[in-house]
Amino acid sequence: EADIYQTPRYLVIGTGKKITLECSQTMGHDKMYWYQQDPGMELHLIHYSYGVNSTEKGDLSSESTVSRIRTEHFPLTLESARPSHTSQYLCASSELSGSGTVFYGYTFGSGTRLTVV
Amino acid sequence: AQTVTQSQPEMSVQEAETVTLSCTYDTSENNYYLFWYKQPPSRQMILVIRQEAYKQQNATENRFSVNFQKAAKSFSLKISDSQLGDTAMYFCAFMYSGGSNYKLTFGKGTLLTVNP
Repeated sequence: EADIYQTPRYLVIGTGKKITLECSQTMGHDKMYWYQQDPGMELHLIHYSYGVNSTEKGDLSSESTVSRIRTEHFPLTLESARPSHTSQYLCASSELSGSGTVFYGYTFGSGTRLTVV
Repeated sequence: AQTVTQSQPEMSVQEAETVTLSCTYDTSENNYYLFWYKQPPSRQMILVIRQEAYKQQNATENRFSVNFQKAAKSFSLKISDSQLGDTAMYFCAFMYSGGSNYKLTFGKGTLLTVNP
């Protein structure tokens, strides 16, 4: 079944550690996104990608970085985790019709809940 | 820039009753999409319903329907025959269809609790 997978589901890590949150999708979608969801549940776009080797920063400034070497894989990296990075991180991908004229919306992963202590 | 406003941070409804969640948006564009997403507690966010702005007919998906008022820039979600499994955070979202990045702008969400 086509889907989008995020690992790990939960992560507790110490300050200063480097971490990578994994996101993979099996649907062949070109466009992928990372959202940070704050404790109030509001969603903030932090990174997005149009396709392989194409990444852009989102609306909310983030110290994280992303890469897109393969269509199906869009990992997010924090070089030095801090308590302020504690949040839920959601990965999503988007689908267009075959003609590219109809947008069906995002498919979301289950999220990674990160706690930095 | 587009904005999406959900004026009801929390709502509750009795099982089997009907509830309506409000959403308004601000845009100068004419072609766009609107969405309602559902995020159950500790579970994956899923698409509930989708509306294309050029279509006057309101979208429906089983017990979920929308009231799309383009002139008023209003996009409310009606849930009929509410079930306990409908308890979730509901997000309204907007996307301009003329761009190339397909970024969604989300509202702050409405927490819906269905009571037995």
